[in-house]
Amino acid sequence: DIQMTQSPSSLSASVGDRVTITCRTSQSISSNLNWYQQKLGKAPKLLIYAASTLQSGVPSRFSGSESGTDFTLTISSLQPEDFATYYCQQSYSVPYSFGQGTKLDI
Amino acid sequence: QVQLQESGPGLVKPSETLSLTCTVSGDSVSSSIYYWSWIRQPPGKGLEWIGYIYYDGTTNYNPSLKSRVTISVDRSKNQFSLKLTSVTAADTAIYYCARITNRQHLGWFDSWGQGNLVTVSS
Repeated sequence: DIQMTQSPSSLSASVGDRVTITCRTSQSISSNLNWYQQKLGKAPKLLIYAASTLQSGVPSRFSGSESGTDFTLTISSLQPEDFATYYCQQSYSVPYSFGQGTKLDI
Repeated sequence: QVQLQESGPGLVKPSETLSLTCTVSGDSVSSSIYYWSWIRQPPGKGLEWIGYIYYDGTTNYNPSLKSRVTISVDRSKNQFSLKLTSVTAADTAIYYCARITNRQHLGWFDSWGQGNLVTVSS
């Protein structure tokens, strides 16, 4: 099974800050890494797929990148609606797996 | 615009079978483009993939649950379903259904239902 190590587990930031969340996989997954945002009481929402492709309708302040087995989600300028929990997820091989989550708060 | 909606009991007794249905609108479970999946989230915890089904009936399950899980599809009702047997309190979670878009060996969960909280308790 592919292990996902997401960091940090929590993060405090302010509106306008640039924020980076990292996900490391236990093996190469050929860009098969996705990022989701989950707000309290809601279903996760797809932000980035295939490591760096922005889902339709998602603001351009969100971006994704990869370097080997390290993947990064960057929010360039935090907005009030961005405070939520973020998850990475791999679809390279079953069982599909998620990172532990990063809670982003003010 | 595809929409997914979970339905089923919110309370299941220990050792019994959890059964949930996901109704799909705006798309077809018979489409060869997508896979249809279940994911769960214990209260206050992270996400766990349960399994998926393809339009031709092919299934794939998380090995941690494989002995207890069945996912099936009802094309006439445009629904797919989850059955989880012999439940315990550890199966208490919000259960989500989701669509997987698969393209060039890459896949992602692009549409989700709102979730159905299932509590296992006597």
